[in-house]
Amino acid sequence: QVRLQQWGAGLLKPSETLSLTCAVYGGSFSGYYWSWIRQPPGKGLEWIGEVNHGGGTNYNPSLKSRVTISVDMSENQFSLQLSSVTAADTAVYYCARGLVTMVRGPMGVWGKGTTVTVSS
Amino acid sequence: ETVLTQSPGTLSLSPGERATLSCRASQSISSSYLAWYQQKPGQAPRFLIYGASSRAAGIPDRFSGSGSGTDFTLTISKLEAEDFAVYYCQQYGSSPRTFGQGTKVEIK
Repeated sequence: QVRLQQWGAGLLKPSETLSLTCAVYGGSFSGYYWSWIRQPPGKGLEWIGEVNHGGGTNYNPSLKSRVTISVDMSENQFSLQLSSVTAADTAVYYCARGLVTMVRGPMGVWGKGTTVTVSS
Repeated sequence: ETVLTQSPGTLSLSPGERATLSCRASQSISSSYLAWYQQKPGQAPRFLIYGASSRAAGIPDRFSGSGSGTDFTLTISKLEAEDFAVYYCQQYGSSPRTFGQGTKVEIK
């Protein structure tokens, strides 16, 4: 059964770059859409962006200028970088996989989440 | 951007009762590309429904989705103790993907 394991720095200072990685175990990596989603404390879910099976990316316009999502097919991993963070970027960050291959569908498998706090 | 508005914000019900959650979109969602997720405190969201009405693998049949265009509904036929949680709708028919603000189903 596919499992997503994510990791990265949990405490950042303002203006630093957030960097998270999500590794895929127990399932195929190729062919899927891979997304990052975040959830500020006590609030709802916000989609950050995705990378597709062809390596193309699609970002939320509200974050586009600061976001980079990349893949490492050799390691079955994909990563998120968010530059120039502020306290408003404090959130739980989730990685997720699309439901089926080759289709931009719903997010059927989720990682457990990584808490990122931005504080001076 | 397609804005999703969920109602009510909180639903107070007893186990065994029927829950009806609404999700309204600011514009028509193509091909009913609407999903529902359940989230419990401290946990990642759990995928429930896709294509507005298709249940994900392993989801009990007390959960059902319906709707098209701009109006969608998640129904839980008879609430069980483990169903008390926050529910989010999400559209994936256009970019950016967007989520509703969530409906909390709490024990009355």
